[in-house]
Amino acid sequence: GNSVTQMEGPVTLSEEAFLTINCTYTATGYPSLFWYVQYPGEGLQLLLKATKADDKGSNKGFEATYRKETTSFHLEKGSVQVSDSAVYFCALAPLLGSGAGSYQLTFGKGTKLSVIP
Amino acid sequence: DTGVSQDPRHKITKRGQNVTFRCDPISEHNRLYWYRQTLGQGPEFLTYFQNEAQLEKSRLLSDRFSAERPKGSFSTLEIQRTEQGDSAMYLCASSSTGPRDTQYFGPGTRLTVL
Repeated sequence: GNSVTQMEGPVTLSEEAFLTINCTYTATGYPSLFWYVQYPGEGLQLLLKATKADDKGSNKGFEATYRKETTSFHLEKGSVQVSDSAVYFCALAPLLGSGAGSYQLTFGKGTKLSVIP
Repeated sequence: DTGVSQDPRHKITKRGQNVTFRCDPISEHNRLYWYRQTLGQGPEFLTYFQNEAQLEKSRLLSDRFSAERPKGSFSTLEIQRTEQGDSAMYLCASSSTGPRDTQYFGPGTRLTVL
């Protein structure tokens, strides 16, 4: 079945530091890959996505590149801010109609990021 | 576009009681999903609707759980005879009907079973 593995946290960084959160996946076919962010007490917000190999998703200074050869989708940001403190989830969705048999998102366990001034 | 809304945001109940949650998807979205998220974990899929048809259910959805989407718009998730293990955040998401359409999430309903 499909699975997502992401680096465990918590991760604590100083403001303006470089961020990497590793994410690898196992899936049949060509899934779409996502990063969602969850602020305390809230639901999930889509941060970025990529739908095919070598695509780069980007938003709010965050980037991630779909690497099929390494089955990875690592999240990066060059300079984090205090407001980036949240839990980050890597997720995959199968290509609908691909015969993968499921429309559901499969999530990693999440990585809690704390940015200190 | 008002986003996905869920009601209530918080629910505290006693073990054995029934609870019902409501989800209103983004208006033009035909697909609706329910997920459950326990503390420190990623969301786990519960069930999925396309219009009013419930097309998939997870094995996590025991007989005490039932979900409906009677007119293909809002959805309800009912838990009968709640147990302490049902305490979690229940998340609803919706999407359009394309093969790679993104799921957009609501704020969730946090259930606490005492």
